Amino acid sequence: LAKTTQPISMDSYEGQEVNITCSHNNIATNDYITWYQQFPSQGPRFIIQGYKTKVTNEVASLFIPADRKSSTLSLPRVSLSDTAVYYCLVVKKSSGDKLTFGTGTRLAVRP
Amino acid sequence: DTEVTQTPKHLVMGMTNKKSLKCEQHMGHRAMYWYKQKAKKPPELMFVYSYEKLSINESVPSRFSPECPNSSLLNLHLHALQPEDSALYLCASRRTGGENTEAFFGQGTRLTVV
Repeated sequence: LAKTTQPISMDSYEGQEVNITCSHNNIATNDYITWYQQFPSQGPRFIIQGYKTKVTNEVASLFIPADRKSSTLSLPRVSLSDTAVYYCLVVKKSSGDKLTFGTGTRLAVRP
Repeated sequence: DTEVTQTPKHLVMGMTNKKSLKCEQHMGHRAMYWYKQKAKKPPELMFVYSYEKLSINESVPSRFSPECPNSSLLNLHLHALQPEDSALYLCASRRTGGENTEAFFGQGTRLTVV
């Protein structure tokens, strides 16, 4: 399983763009990169998934360089409600595979 | 319906009690997961079921006993727990096949062992 490394915490202000980078040096060919958001006392919520290059959805963008050894989650114009823990996971396609959470990044958005 | 429903939301149990946590999904997902999460820590994988069969046990103590009676239900039976087992227990499900790896999580059961 590819181990992931993220910053422990980040601070931002409302309206700013936030970029959270995750390192996954031993990612395998059939691994996908996924990001989850978790609020206190709630289950994690899927944000975005990517394999290579750039993926964008209604809440975030995910940038993956050609070597796929890292990825960057970009949150445009954050608000106070984006204060949460963000987890980067490396996941195989197969259904019975582990979903292993790393330490995550605690994002604090200030007014 | 994209919900994973966990019951109860809160549970207080004594160290000699037997209780069960329940998880239900109707998305047709054939992979289901149990996680344990302590405060300010990431979710820690306990068990994985694939097509109603236990496929991964992360060396969880036998006082936790999972069960998957059908493709929609996942139970976690608890017996003789310790105070350090107090945590948020999360259930998740995920579809099989395809390239979508998205997992859906329930809101969790907050367990307190006294």
